[in-house]
Amino acid sequence: DIVMTQSPGSLTVSLGERATINCRSSQSILYTSNNMNYLAWYQQKPRQPPRLLIFWASTRQSGVPDRFSGSGSGTDFTLTITSVQAEDVAVYYCQQYYNSPPTFGQGTKLEI
Amino acid sequence: EVQLLESGGRLVRPGGSLRLSCATSGFTFSNHAISWVRQTPKRGLQWVSSSGPETHYAASVKGRFTVSRDNYRNTVYLQMNSLTVDDTGMYYCAKDLRAGANSWDLDHWGQGTLVTVSS
Repeated sequence: DIVMTQSPGSLTVSLGERATINCRSSQSILYTSNNMNYLAWYQQKPRQPPRLLIFWASTRQSGVPDRFSGSGSGTDFTLTITSVQAEDVAVYYCQQYYNSPPTFGQGTKLEI
Repeated sequence: EVQLLESGGRLVRPGGSLRLSCATSGFTFSNHAISWVRQTPKRGLQWVSSSGPETHYAASVKGRFTVSRDNYRNTVYLQMNSLTVDDTGMYYCAKDLRAGANSWDLDHWGQGTLVTVSS
């Protein structure tokens, strides 16, 4: 199974500051035939299910604010939130969907 | 509007069985795989199974859980047998973003149903 490792485990930022969350996969999740990274980011607020933010490592899902962006390739990926807002308090997860079983990182808790 | 609604979770004794349901609407059901994902405080998010053109299971549930789908009722079922305390958790169903093959990029999730395995 591909192991997904996130850092940091928790992050405290001030309103309007930038937040950066890292995710590393135990093997490359770049599919060379289409040059796509099979990496998604989710946001989970308390008592809610996860919400898809980013897929293909850098494509924002419809309705996601543009302060959220994803980057990286191969084994190292980053979720960046520019100008953090109060409603961004949540746990963020990365997930690989390169192969079965799809696997998630352990989560990063973002606090203000 | 895409909607997924899980049901069937409850308290069950170790060794017992349970069937979860995931009723869906708002999309062409037959075109998309549906996954079951469980969540616990200790182990976080863990993909369990998916039903689409292919059926897949996590190693920890293979041989004990069976996923099926009813394309008439737009519903996916997860039959869980020989339950252990490690199966305790919130069970979500979620829809694949891409149509066609199992893709596991999960764009819509239900609210979850709680399964508790305890004596």
